[in-house]
Amino acid sequence: VMTQSPDSLAVSLGERATIDCKSSQTVLYSSNNKNYLAWYQQKPGQPPKLLIYWASTRKSGVPDRFSGSGSGTDFTLTISSLQAEDVAVYYCQQYYRTPYTFGQGTKLEIK
Amino acid sequence: QVQLVESGGGVVQPGGSLRLSCTTSGFTFSSYGMHWVRQAPGKGLEWVAYIHFDGTNRYADSVKGRFTVSRDNSKNTVYLQMSSLRAEDTAVYYCTKDHCDSSSCDGVQHWGQGTLVTVS
Repeated sequence: VMTQSPDSLAVSLGERATIDCKSSQTVLYSSNNKNYLAWYQQKPGQPPKLLIYWASTRKSGVPDRFSGSGSGTDFTLTISSLQAEDVAVYYCQQYYRTPYTFGQGTKLEIK
Repeated sequence: QVQLVESGGGVVQPGGSLRLSCTTSGFTFSSYGMHWVRQAPGKGLEWVAYIHFDGTNRYADSVKGRFTVSRDNSKNTVYLQMSSLRAEDTAVYYCTKDHCDSSSCDGVQHWGQGTLVTVS
């Protein structure tokens, strides 16, 4: 089970936004020391967009204000300086084993 | 580049059936597992089914016995046969490409644009 907090978040433009994700089991694969954890951004009417994989690797083309951290069971997505276009719902996902479960989502808004 | 295009969605009555297709390009389809993920209106993401590159499969408990995932490597296409449909199956259905092929994993999952299924 993946649990995100908070469920919703309002942050001022230019300020930092932080979303947490906790897994009920470790997603750290010891043989390669990789965390099988991804972060997605979803805007209305669009499919989820991959932002971060391996818990902290930013996908090519994703702005560097997005960063991921954590290991084992506890992870964080940070947006260093919120922009208007970052308004969206954010999901974490473990892909350590099937079923690839998702957090419930965090709705990010502008304060 | 990797492309996934879902089709086959529509309106179906409760108890009815529907087959979704996901046609792919830009990668060696036969070497990758494929997933189906759905999203009910206004809700979060729910994993539905998976088919490994060797044909073995897994299902969410909510669809087990009603949905069947299959693949045709000659057509680079994965299918989701849905039967005994219920109102709660109403959702956008996405296919996704797994991040592992037969020899390695790169951590990147690709998604299609989705197809809407309405059971009413």
